[in-house]
Amino acid sequence: AQKVTQAQTEISVVEKEDVTLDCVYETRDTTYYLFWYKQPPSGELVFLIRRNSFDEQNEISGRYSWNFQKSTSSFNFTITASQVVDSAVYFCALRLNTDKLIFGTGTRLQVFP
Amino acid sequence: DAMVIQNPRYQVTQFGKPVTLSCSQTLNHNVMYWYQQKSSQAPKLLFHYYDKDFNNEADTPDNFQSRRPNTSFCFLDIRSPGLGDAAMYLCATSARTGDKLFFGSGTQLSVL
Repeated sequence: AQKVTQAQTEISVVEKEDVTLDCVYETRDTTYYLFWYKQPPSGELVFLIRRNSFDEQNEISGRYSWNFQKSTSSFNFTITASQVVDSAVYFCALRLNTDKLIFGTGTRLQVFP
Repeated sequence: DAMVIQNPRYQVTQFGKPVTLSCSQTLNHNVMYWYQQKSSQAPKLLFHYYDKDFNNEADTPDNFQSRRPNTSFCFLDIRSPGLGDAAMYLCATSARTGDKLFFGSGTQLSVL
């Protein structure tokens, strides 16, 4: 069975703190894709990153970084020096070699000034 | 410019009164999706089209139907909305298998 687990329901931090959002996935497929999406209060899901199963390189984009570890089936997301505008719900998602995207239950991040 | 457009942003309907939600895209993507998202929950896939091929999720109620008259447009029809169908409905597109999904802003449906 395919599944995405985001164990952290809600995280609260103060501005400028670093925060890591955890994501653990399950699949028996060898080809798959992992995603992170941000959903601000406006409701639209905003794409952040896609990683395929053959590419375990970590990635950094500004204050955002992602740590993909196949050995632990994890794809964690770190925000460095968090800002109030980072407040949103963040979804990790898994896509097999099909059209279907499977979402985790999301982590609500609140960044306080 | 918005690439996946959903109208209306808010929709109010009465219990049992049919309602149609609209989605259009300017990306010329092959795949279009409808997701249902209830408060504080993950988006749940209802169905998707790959070109004209319709794919229904096994647990999508019969009350929900969809139409895709052409590449650009896709509609979600709820034949007899119940109170439990109140949710945000998200439309998304992708170019091909494995590619990222582009989401619209969603339609928030209220059922009175």
